[in-house]
Amino acid sequence: DAGITQSPRHKVTETGTPVTLRCHQTENHRYMYWYRQDPGHGLRLIHYSYGVKDTDKGEVSDGYSVSRSKTEDFLLTLESATSSQTSVYFCAISDTRGSNQPQHFGDGTRLSIL
Amino acid sequence: QQQVKQSPQSLIVQKGGISIINCAYENTAFDYFPWYQQFPGKGPALLIAIRPDVSEKKEGRFTISFNKSAKQFSLHIMDSQPGDSATYFCAAREWGKLQFGAGTQVVVTP
Repeated sequence: DAGITQSPRHKVTETGTPVTLRCHQTENHRYMYWYRQDPGHGLRLIHYSYGVKDTDKGEVSDGYSVSRSKTEDFLLTLESATSSQTSVYFCAISDTRGSNQPQHFGDGTRLSIL
Repeated sequence: QQQVKQSPQSLIVQKGGISIINCAYENTAFDYFPWYQQFPGKGPALLIAIRPDVSEKKEGRFTISFNKSAKQFSLHIMDSQPGDSATYFCAAREWGKLQFGAGTQVVVTP
């Protein structure tokens, strides 16, 4: 298994509170991604990073921000959590953007916002 | 608007049978088409993938068929086993970013 650790694995919080999810990798891969998984939608890209301090938006980035100060860590922050952000969040990594290099996923963080 | 449409939503197959999952896309810029398998409580894991210049790829009991002109691709699971019971996602990549289908829950009965 690719060395990807997501923390926390589960979190319950209240609407309006800030939340930060962490993705830590030990593979020294350049690219890191945050997805959310919801029934009927598959996985949707929130933000991704192509290097330290280099990030860009995905298709569902509203309400989320990210930071990457080290190769191994990619943080996802919900500045003011809303109930619509209740979801399972997955981090993924890949070594390159092209060729046949796949993305490897962590085991997810289940986030419930009440 | 989902860029990759996946069907069926779920399917039940007997042990030893064939499971077939279909996906369709519109964006001709997609350059890589992976399939992921996901078990409850775990992240998706790459199962098999294909590039658009290949019409078929087989790995063990899993085969991808790819029809570039129709913009469709499918996953065939031959000799389905109870351990194959999982959710399967097709995906398509553009500039390193994956677009996923909605997923198919496969149940293999003994």
